Amino acid sequence: QLQLQESGPGLVKPSETLSLTCDVSGDSIRNRDYYWGWVRQPPGKGLVWVGTVYWSGTTYYNPTLVRRVTISVDTSRNQVSLRLRSVTAADTAVYYCARIYYYGLGSRLYFMDVWGKGTTVTVSS
Amino acid sequence: SYELTQPPSVSVSPGQTASISCSGDELGDQFTSWYQQKAGQSPVLVIYRDTWRPSGIPERFSGSTSGNTATLTISGTQTVDEADYYCQTLYSTTVIFGGGTKLTVL
Repeated sequence: QLQLQESGPGLVKPSETLSLTCDVSGDSIRNRDYYWGWVRQPPGKGLVWVGTVYWSGTTYYNPTLVRRVTISVDTSRNQVSLRLRSVTAADTAVYYCARIYYYGLGSRLYFMDVWGKGTTVTVSS
Repeated sequence: SYELTQPPSVSVSPGQTASISCSGDELGDQFTSWYQQKAGQSPVLVIYRDTWRPSGIPERFSGSTSGNTATLTISGTQTVDEADYYCQTLYSTTVIFGGGTKLTVL
């Protein structure tokens, strides 16, 4: 059974870099049918897409975050990683890792069929 | 920027039908997915490709589209269905979520 487990520091100082890891078990990151990605949810607010990555390294990012975010995969460890630079209080959120059904550029079908439990990140000095 | 609009809240009595709308420019040209998020939990996919239901999702959940509006319908709503519901689509290579609808069953 597929499981996604997010991990990382729960507290990050303003202007520093937020780094999270998603451990994938029960499926291979290299599964050609799926992409992987991150979604965040600020306290009391809705879901916000952060970005998407394919095992080959192809990435798509939220235009509002593209200058600060990097999502990558480590196929040897079956992990997906998120790095968000120059964080502010506005980046405080629960960060979810998700498996994504997507055929790639030009495809209209995109949905997240499995989600991790999420990890809470607070940006504060 | 592209946006999906949902009503902030919907109320329904147990056993009745709940409908949650999601509208956006050109939404009719895209596929819509729906997610259920109960308090303190991760989102769960309940509808994808406008009308398809993942295995394990009760039949009372259904999706439909008309023009640039997608609708999630819950027939015979149960108290366990009380949750936030989010629509989602893909616009070019950007993933968009609606603002969410809080479904209250009372």
